Amino acid sequence: GESVGLHLPTLSVQEGDNSIINCAYSNSASDYFIWYKQESGKGPQFIIDIRSNMDKRQGQRVTVLLNKTVKHLSLQIAATQPGDSAVYFCAENMGDSSYKLIFGSGTRLLVRP
Amino acid sequence: DAGVIQSPRHEVTEMGQEVTLRCKPISGHNSLFWYRQTMMRGLELLIYFNNNVPIDDSGMPEDRFSAKMPNASFSTLKIQPSEPRDSAVYFCASRRTGVAYEQYFGPGTRLTVT
Repeated sequence: GESVGLHLPTLSVQEGDNSIINCAYSNSASDYFIWYKQESGKGPQFIIDIRSNMDKRQGQRVTVLLNKTVKHLSLQIAATQPGDSAVYFCAENMGDSSYKLIFGSGTRLLVRP
Repeated sequence: DAGVIQSPRHEVTEMGQEVTLRCKPISGHNSLFWYRQTMMRGLELLIYFNNNVPIDDSGMPEDRFSAKMPNASFSTLKIQPSEPRDSAVYFCASRRTGVAYEQYFGPGTRLTVT
């Protein structure tokens, strides 16, 4: 697999710093959101999810924040490591009975040593 | 668990040829999704199956594309005839009903049509 390439927005951070990746969604009916990480040559990998009845959820070194008022989602990565370098996608469900996910265009995270 | 398995990993073919991509979902997962990823369009859902039945194929580009799921452990995506604009990475993903919306992706098949 390969992530979307050269035209992605890119976030460059120093190793050890915190990273914040943002995502805007458009469907007010969406009630479930996921962050995926895609490393070069691989398929997207689940990181963390959040339901619309929550505004924050924490995992290991990652936190997802949801602001339904402005339809905004963010992924915070604490103490960013070189292994975090990848493309990050947010995805939302359709808010209906289907199991479809709609993926954002992605953000490339580069971690400087 | 072996994860979602896709084959081949890379496929290079000439325009007009038939291409068949294969996917084995994670055992116990009963929803299967086919996606296409390109630089221009990002990650697009082509079709998804639930319990081997196609539920939504609205993302399939045109009649040249077809997908089947003859049983719970195997699915194919076929392109006939292939065109250069079909060049992309094709992903298969699966999920288990009742476990939120999380989908597990395979490693993808990189298709190049010359």
